[in-house]
Amino acid sequence: SAVISQKPSRDICQRGTSLTIQCQVDSQVTMMFWYRQQPGQSLTLIATANQGSEATYESGFVIDKFPISRPNLTFSTLTVSNMSPEDSSIYLCSVGGHGTEAFFGQGTRLTVV
Amino acid sequence: LAKTTQPISMDSYEGQEVNITCSHNNIATNDYITWYQQFPSQGPRFIIQGYKTKVTNEVASLFIPADRKSSTLSLPRVSLSDTAVYYCLVGRRINSGGGADGLTFGKGTHLIIQP
Repeated sequence: SAVISQKPSRDICQRGTSLTIQCQVDSQVTMMFWYRQQPGQSLTLIATANQGSEATYESGFVIDKFPISRPNLTFSTLTVSNMSPEDSSIYLCSVGGHGTEAFFGQGTRLTVV
Repeated sequence: LAKTTQPISMDSYEGQEVNITCSHNNIATNDYITWYQQFPSQGPRFIIQGYKTKVTNEVASLFIPADRKSSTLSLPRVSLSDTAVYYCLVGRRINSGGGADGLTFGKGTHLIIQP
């Protein structure tokens, strides 16, 4: 199993600003994943973050808007840049997926005003 | 990855058995069926995975017919705390090696348990 801690748990931000979300895992993992869950919706994969390489983004998500860092095997950050109200969502960090059991953080609830 | 279709919502009562069906008509030969549960304000958590026939663990049972084009998650004697969204996914078997791939979630089934 894996224990995943995300910070902050929630935030209210002004439009045009940026927020960096931190994700800490209690064990070393090769791949970490970032998801977005819009209000009342399912989860959508944003990107896959491998340590030591550029993140791989899914269709509809770009690095300029969602830059990701992966400095070591237990930590990653996701930045939501130049925010607008449409970015109001829950952002979740995960390890594992198809091929392994997936574990998720509690999520970061972002509200952009 | 095979697309999945589930009922958007279901209601039941405490103590009842709840069965949630998922359709996955285009499931590949090597795909497994996996169910995740998500409580409000939490990330999803793994419930059960299966390939064919029946799988049972301490939380649920998973029934998969021979053609594997659908599956049914069965929750015995539900309680109020089983109110959650349940997601059906198809993909590689857990511990199949080769690392992990990101998950593709469908809309899920919002299960509401009433007293």
